[in-house]
Amino acid sequence: DTGVSQDPRHKITKRGQNVTFRCDPISEHNRLYWYRQTLGQGPEFLTYFQNEAQLEKSRLLSDRFSAERPKGSFSTLEIQRTEQGDSAMYLCASSLVGQGGSPLHFGNGTRLTVT
Amino acid sequence: AQKVTQAQTEISVVEKEDVTLDCVYETRDTTYYLFWYKQPPSGELVFLIRRNSFDEQNEISGRYSWNFQKSTSSFNFTITASQVVDSAVYFCALSEAVNNNAGNMLTFGGGTRLMVKP
Repeated sequence: DTGVSQDPRHKITKRGQNVTFRCDPISEHNRLYWYRQTLGQGPEFLTYFQNEAQLEKSRLLSDRFSAERPKGSFSTLEIQRTEQGDSAMYLCASSLVGQGGSPLHFGNGTRLTVT
Repeated sequence: AQKVTQAQTEISVVEKEDVTLDCVYETRDTTYYLFWYKQPPSGELVFLIRRNSFDEQNEISGRYSWNFQKSTSSFNFTITASQVVDSAVYFCALSEAVNNNAGNMLTFGGGTRLMVKP
């Protein structure tokens, strides 16, 4: 179990640029989640996948955000035309589907700063 | 709508003191799950415990204990004999149950920053 890994750890970008983050879940986990956490707040749900299917999206996920999980393994989160309000920590998590459920295991996150 | 409230934004204690972190939740679901996560300065959220709404038995794990009271919609977390390594932000979270499985969307509280001084 190597844990959930996210890349990059930090990203600084200028307003208007596009950015893409990658998440590699725990290998046997079939669910993958994206959350966003701003300073001093708890994480907020953005979206989740079961295998390659994106099953739920939060209202927080505007049209500038797109997430993919093409082969049901790693996932990418892209933000187009970044805005200063997008500055946050983007957290990825994974879990197993099973009877009784499974807790989410989080990665270290990608900290985005939009200047 | 689901909501989790952690009224204590910051707590400071001296090492070896006991400390209780409060969590109050709101949900219309009859079946749901409650969680506690620890977020040390490194940023990774570390899972501590999950309880389902039908299991009100309190739980103890080493220096950690949890008190789930459905009557007051609370799920409080106590650290006994705190240590400097306990310093972190602690989050309480809630999810609905789907087909008796833990739900897909966690609703987090705002977190409590615990500082344990030597």
